[in-house]
Amino acid sequence: AQSVTQLGSHVSVSEGALVLLRCNYSSSVPPYLFWYVQYPNQGLQLLLKYTTGATLVKGINGFEAEFKKSETSFHLTKPSAHMSDAAEYFCAVSDHYSGGSNYKLTFGKGTLLTVNP
Amino acid sequence: DSGVTQTPKHLITATGQRVTLRCSPRSGDLSVYWYQQSLDQGLQFLIQYYNGEERAKGNILERFSAQQFPDLHSELNLSSLELGDSALYFCASSVAWVGPDTQYFGPGTRLTVL
Repeated sequence: AQSVTQLGSHVSVSEGALVLLRCNYSSSVPPYLFWYVQYPNQGLQLLLKYTTGATLVKGINGFEAEFKKSETSFHLTKPSAHMSDAAEYFCAVSDHYSGGSNYKLTFGKGTLLTVNP
Repeated sequence: DSGVTQTPKHLITATGQRVTLRCSPRSGDLSVYWYQQSLDQGLQFLIQYYNGEERAKGNILERFSAQQFPDLHSELNLSSLELGDSALYFCASSVAWVGPDTQYFGPGTRLTVL
């Protein structure tokens, strides 16, 4: 069974500081990996995803993530935090099989990002 | 705005009751997923439909059921409600059931069971 671990349920940074949100996964096959953001009282919005190819993935709002197979990690980073980045961030993994049909997302517990002025 | 709509936005009901949550996918999307978000369990996959057919089941209770209609909208039926069913229920849609299509999430329905 797949699982996703997000280290740190709450991360607090100052405005302008580096944002680093950690995600490790376990999967029996090369996974598809996703980061979603959830603003208060809203649904989830895709930030970025890794499928195949380049391991450094760029997303919206200046975020990027690097797939490291040897470390089974997919950490999310942003060089400079903005106040508007305050939200909850979810890492997710989706398995895929040849001819398979189950693309459900398995989510981590989420990391709440607070940005201090 | 993801293009996925969910109604109602809020639902308050009593234990033992039955409710129906509705989801309209993005135009052109054939696949619909239902997820439950609670403080205890986090975000959990419940069930997936593709073009009217059930494709995958997750941690969905027997008291819960879903269907996808010919116009591709989907309904999640929750019956014999318990206090623990209080949660945010999200619907997501994607183009097809073969990945890695992005799943687009609706704003959710917040269910409160009193």
